[in-house]
Amino acid sequence: TQLLEQSPQFLSIQEGENLTVYCNSSSVFSSLQWYRQEPGEGPVLLVTVVTGGEVKKLKRLTFQFGDARKDSSLHITAAQTGDTGLYLCAGAARAGNNRKLIWGLGTSLAVNP
Amino acid sequence: DAGITQSPRHKVTETGTPVTLRCHQTENHRYMYWYRQDPGHGLRLIHYSYGVKDTDKGEVSDGYSVSRSKTEDFLLTLESATSSQTSVYFCAASSGYQETQYFGPGTRLLVL
Repeated sequence: TQLLEQSPQFLSIQEGENLTVYCNSSSVFSSLQWYRQEPGEGPVLLVTVVTGGEVKKLKRLTFQFGDARKDSSLHITAAQTGDTGLYLCAGAARAGNNRKLIWGLGTSLAVNP
Repeated sequence: DAGITQSPRHKVTETGTPVTLRCHQTENHRYMYWYRQDPGHGLRLIHYSYGVKDTDKGEVSDGYSVSRSKTEDFLLTLESATSSQTSVYFCAASSGYQETQYFGPGTRLLVL
């Protein structure tokens, strides 16, 4: 069974602080995605990383895919209250018609003013 | 945004009654998914579809069935609702490109 372990599960920080969320697995993924979910809404894609070692930046958010394509991290610089939400990582292991994602349990981030 | 809508958005029902949730997408995506999201369990796949009339079970499929007679619609049926099926249900769709999934707004289901 493929698993994605996400840490930390909960994070409460002050506005302006930096933070990193980790997503780890023993399995290799063809791609890994990060989503953000706000209360009462469905998850929304932030980024997809495909190549081992790949780094992508989205404003203050930096995403990295591990060299072996088994892990990923999300770093937020100078967090803002608008960053509050549930961050989910999801890995893809494509096989035939299988287009399912393996989901982490999420990191609930609260950024306090 | 893949134009995914879910109906109803909220539902309260009684144990033992059948319930059908509807998912509609406007982007002609081939793949569609039904998830449930519960505290401590994250998103769990119930069923998914890889084409019209082509469906497969996910990790928590017991007590649920699905149908997809048209590309744009994916129905989830709780055959006889139980209190353990109280949850938030999300539908998602994907073209398969990089496995990106686009989610609907969710349906909050309470089974009394």
